[in-house]
Amino acid sequence: KQEVTQIPAALSVPEGENLVLNCSFTDSAIYNLQWFRQDPGKGLTSLLLIQSSQREQTSGRLNASLDKSSGRSTLYIAASQPGDSATYLCAVDQGGSEKLVFGKGTKLTVNP
Amino acid sequence: EAGVVQSPRYKIIEKKQPVAFWCNPISGHNTLYWYLQNLGQGPELLIRYENEEAVDDSQLPKDRFSAERLKGVDSTLKIQPAELGDSAVYLCASSPGGLNTGELFFGEGSRLTVL
Repeated sequence: KQEVTQIPAALSVPEGENLVLNCSFTDSAIYNLQWFRQDPGKGLTSLLLIQSSQREQTSGRLNASLDKSSGRSTLYIAASQPGDSATYLCAVDQGGSEKLVFGKGTKLTVNP
Repeated sequence: EAGVVQSPRYKIIEKKQPVAFWCNPISGHNTLYWYLQNLGQGPELLIRYENEEAVDDSQLPKDRFSAERLKGVDSTLKIQPAELGDSAVYLCASSPGGLNTGELFFGEGSRLTVL
């Protein structure tokens, strides 16, 4: 059974700092991996999708990497801003099953 | 363009009462998902529809949960009777072409509290 773990559970940083969020998964037979953002009381917003054959994806200040063989992904946020404060969730699509398995998320707080 | 719309946003009921949640996906999105999110957890898939067909309902507790997607557009998720452990956020999501497109859009959720 696929398990997705995110470390740390919470992170507080000063504005402007570069930071890394970690995601690990137990079964490397994934179809793709996605990073989502969730604001309090809101739904999820897809940030980046990495196909199993890819190593990284970039969108603006966000960069996500994938090392499928080691079961790890990282989300790098450059020059963090208070508006980046949210919970970030990692999810894997297990073998094209169309069923995302989510981690519990990392709650990020960026202090002005 | 409107996003995924869910209602009600909040619902408080007594245990053993029925409750229903409604979802209107983005126009043209054939795939619709219902997820359950407990506090401090990631969402878990309950059911997936392709048009009006439920193609994956393996994680839907069928003794008390039911769902339908008539005409392949709007969808309703029902719980009858509700139990204390059903208190959670129920999220609806839609996609034009499935997860591999990265185009997965979530509604704001329906928060259920069972007393």
